[in-house]
Amino acid sequence: GQNIDQPTEMTATEGAIVQINCTYQTSGFNGLFWYQQHAGEAPTFLSYNVLDGLEEKGRFSSFLSRSKGYSYLLLKELQMKDSASYLCAVKDSNYQLIWGAGTKLIIKP
Amino acid sequence: SAVISQKPSRDICQRGTSLTIQCQVDSQVTMMFWYRQQPGQSLTLIATANQGSEATYESGFVIDKFPISRPNLTFSTLTVSNMSPEDSSIYLCSVTDREAGELFFGEGSRLTVL
Repeated sequence: GQNIDQPTEMTATEGAIVQINCTYQTSGFNGLFWYQQHAGEAPTFLSYNVLDGLEEKGRFSSFLSRSKGYSYLLLKELQMKDSASYLCAVKDSNYQLIWGAGTKLIIKP
Repeated sequence: SAVISQKPSRDICQRGTSLTIQCQVDSQVTMMFWYRQQPGQSLTLIATANQGSEATYESGFVIDKFPISRPNLTFSTLTVSNMSPEDSSIYLCSVTDREAGELFFGEGSRLTVL
């Protein structure tokens, strides 16, 4: 079956760096997405990786290794507003999006 | 990115009734989807809304319970029929213009069934 694993919850300190990991097993691969979802709101798109390597976008970076079925989202200079759930999702060979359960990130002052 | 408007944003409904959620996009989009997100859970795809034809439903979801319309490339509705408390959830409309592209989401409709 198809599966995406990410930690349920993480805690970090304001100003610090945190890395949220995502491992996947899917039927084919057509890209990996990271979304941010604040409580009570809809998910918003953060990043997209289809080739191996690191994509940097401001304070957020996303890394992909297709051979390892692995990605991470790196958040630098954490701010209180970064407290949210972070969802990893993979498009399989049929372009179906497979969603992880999400990682709830708690930022402490 | 597309601007997606959903309504109602929230509603409290009685058991046994039905509610229709509307999704309006500010531009023509190729693909529209309806998701459900139950409290504390991730996203579950209900169906793909197909323009001018019947929606494509995922396993566990049926047309009688979740009828969907998509009369054009900018608008779709999802009806939650004969509601029970188990249907209490956030329902999200999402769109993309490319199979490989990212999804954009509406603000969601939070339904509470008593």
